[in-house]
Amino acid sequence: AQSVTQLDSQVPVFEEAPVELRCNYSSSVSVYLFWYVQYPNQGLQLLLKYLSGSTLVKGINGFEAEFNKSQTSFHLRKPSVHISDTAEYFCAVSESGGSNYKLTFGKGTLLTVNP
Amino acid sequence: DGGITQSPKYLFRKEGQNVTLSCEQNLNHDAMYWYRQDPGQGLRLIYYSQIVNDFQKGDIAEGYSVSREKKESFPLTVTSAQKNPTAFYLCASSRAVSPGNTIYFGEGSWLTVV
Repeated sequence: AQSVTQLDSQVPVFEEAPVELRCNYSSSVSVYLFWYVQYPNQGLQLLLKYLSGSTLVKGINGFEAEFNKSQTSFHLRKPSVHISDTAEYFCAVSESGGSNYKLTFGKGTLLTVNP
Repeated sequence: DGGITQSPKYLFRKEGQNVTLSCEQNLNHDAMYWYRQDPGQGLRLIYYSQIVNDFQKGDIAEGYSVSREKKESFPLTVTSAQKNPTAFYLCASSRAVSPGNTIYFGEGSWLTVV
């Protein structure tokens, strides 16, 4: 069974600073990887996903993530954050083959962007 | 605009009462899901449905029930058997239950037991 660990529960940064939200996964088979964002009191919205191909994935709102198979990581980055990026971010993993569709979520990282 | 509508947004329930959360989607998706979110716990899958009149238990199905009589609707009933029902509930859908498909979420419903 797969699992996801988000290494930081909270990340405070100043506006216009770069940010990295860390995600490590565990699985015995190949995986698909996702990052979702949740603004306060709302549902989740897909930021980006890795299915195959280039390990650098670009998403919405200027975010990108890099799949590193050897380190089993899928860290999310943005070179310059805005106040509006304040939200909770969830990393998720699913196994790419077989009948186990299940999407497993990490516990989330709260990104707080301060002026 | 296509999307997923959950209602009500806020719901209060007395202990011992059943309550039903509504979820409707107009995305023409075959698959629908219910997740529970607790602070600091991420999302946990309650039930999912791949097609009409079929549904499967997720990781925390005890104390919950669902139905899927129409493609666009997937209501969740929180029964009195659910020991700790206070949480944020998220309905979601995808084209199919398949590993790479994007899952789309509704705005969520807050349930508080008083």
